[in-house]
Amino acid sequence: QSALTQPASVSGSPGQSITISCTGTSSDVGNYNLVSWYQQHPGKAPKLMIFEGSKRPSGVSNRFSGSKSGSTASLTISGLQAEDEADYYCCSYASIGTYVFETGTKVTVL
Amino acid sequence: DVQLVESGGGLVQPGGSLRLSCAASGFTFNTYAMSWVRQAPGKGLEWVSTVSGSGGSTYYADSVKGRFTISRDNSKNTLYLQMNSLRAEDTAVYYCAKLRREAFDVWGQGTMVTVSS
Repeated sequence: QSALTQPASVSGSPGQSITISCTGTSSDVGNYNLVSWYQQHPGKAPKLMIFEGSKRPSGVSNRFSGSKSGSTASLTISGLQAEDEADYYCCSYASIGTYVFETGTKVTVL
Repeated sequence: DVQLVESGGGLVQPGGSLRLSCAASGFTFNTYAMSWVRQAPGKGLEWVSTVSGSGGSTYYADSVKGRFTISRDNSKNTLYLQMNSLRAEDTAVYYCAKLRREAFDVWGQGTMVTVSS
């Protein structure tokens, strides 16, 4: 049950697009299209932004999109806004009932 | 509204025990698997445990296996986490979360557990 890996921080100016990568293994990200992404503001509970790799829950802005290539999943935020400044975590299904989170990426809006 | 409300956190000495509860409302509780996810101070999220909708199947992270027990009472719409042999490294905010399509779609506000002498 190893943590997924991704950059510690990513920054961008308002209006720009940024991409956060999430690298797993052939046992998790590479084996299933079941990656989810979460946004967490300081002191708040995480919020689901993407599930099944690329699907958005109702109410999540279409500025958020997800994709996967091999064992690497990605979250792209387009038209970056001040309220997007938060920590982002990806999570992969690893086997029945078990999940692995990555280490988290802090997104800074310059 | 769909809601999860955790309780039971607090300060406990190393080696001690604590039971967390998570009261669910606004959805058909027994049809969804539920999980506990924790976050140590200043650290990332860590999946802890999952229980199936019926309660018949349970799964644990290696870091808590043998010490923590997840359970649910579907008649009370409540999820539990019994934590025994607590260690300093178990100090974290513990969130309960509803699982749907292998993603955690609803989260509680979290309850803080501090293990310290």
